[in-house]
Amino acid sequence: EAQVTQNPRYLITVTGKKLTVTCSQNMNHEYMSWYRQDPGLGLRQIYYSMNVEVTDKGDVPEGYKVSRKEKRNFPLILESPSPNQTSLYFCASTALGGLDADTQYFGPGTRLTVL
Amino acid sequence: AQTVTQSQPEMSVQEAETVTLSCTYDTSESDYYLFWYKQPPSRQMILVIRQEAYKQQNATENRFSVNFQKAAKSFSLKISDSQLGDAAMYFCAYKTKGNTPLVFGKGTRLSVIA
Repeated sequence: EAQVTQNPRYLITVTGKKLTVTCSQNMNHEYMSWYRQDPGLGLRQIYYSMNVEVTDKGDVPEGYKVSRKEKRNFPLILESPSPNQTSLYFCASTALGGLDADTQYFGPGTRLTVL
Repeated sequence: AQTVTQSQPEMSVQEAETVTLSCTYDTSESDYYLFWYKQPPSRQMILVIRQEAYKQQNATENRFSVNFQKAAKSFSLKISDSQLGDAAMYFCAYKTKGNTPLVFGKGTRLSVIA
């Protein structure tokens, strides 16, 4: 089954404790991205990657890191989480060509709470 | 910058009836994509329908169809024979081709009344 997976789905942590949210897709998509969703602010892009070893900042990159060592994986790293990073996070992947070009498929979301 | 506007924060519909959700967008591009995503209480973002701007024919997916008016920059979603499972937040989104992010509207919360 074609899908985007994220882990963990729920995480409660404390300020300053480094964490990683994993994202993996099995559709051989080139483009992957991370969004955060906050009430009243909608979905905002954090980082994106066009392919292996190619990453770039989105609209709200501060406090986040990413890496793209393999095509299928795109982890989101919070080196020193703060309470303002409490949010719902989505990973998404996109084919850059083909019948569903430019269609973003989302993972199930990760609910992060930073105390 | 491109913007997407959903003017109806909340809508409701009787089960089995038809409802239309509105979306307008602003762009100077001629070739782009438009999408409707559904976000049920599970918070998953589910693709409902996709429209390519250069195609004049309106996209349909079972009970879901769109009315795409390119000149007016309007992209409404019609849900026919509404079901209780259609209750969700619906997001309209816009994207140009290639290395660009999705631009989302603020969403419309749809309630379905039994």
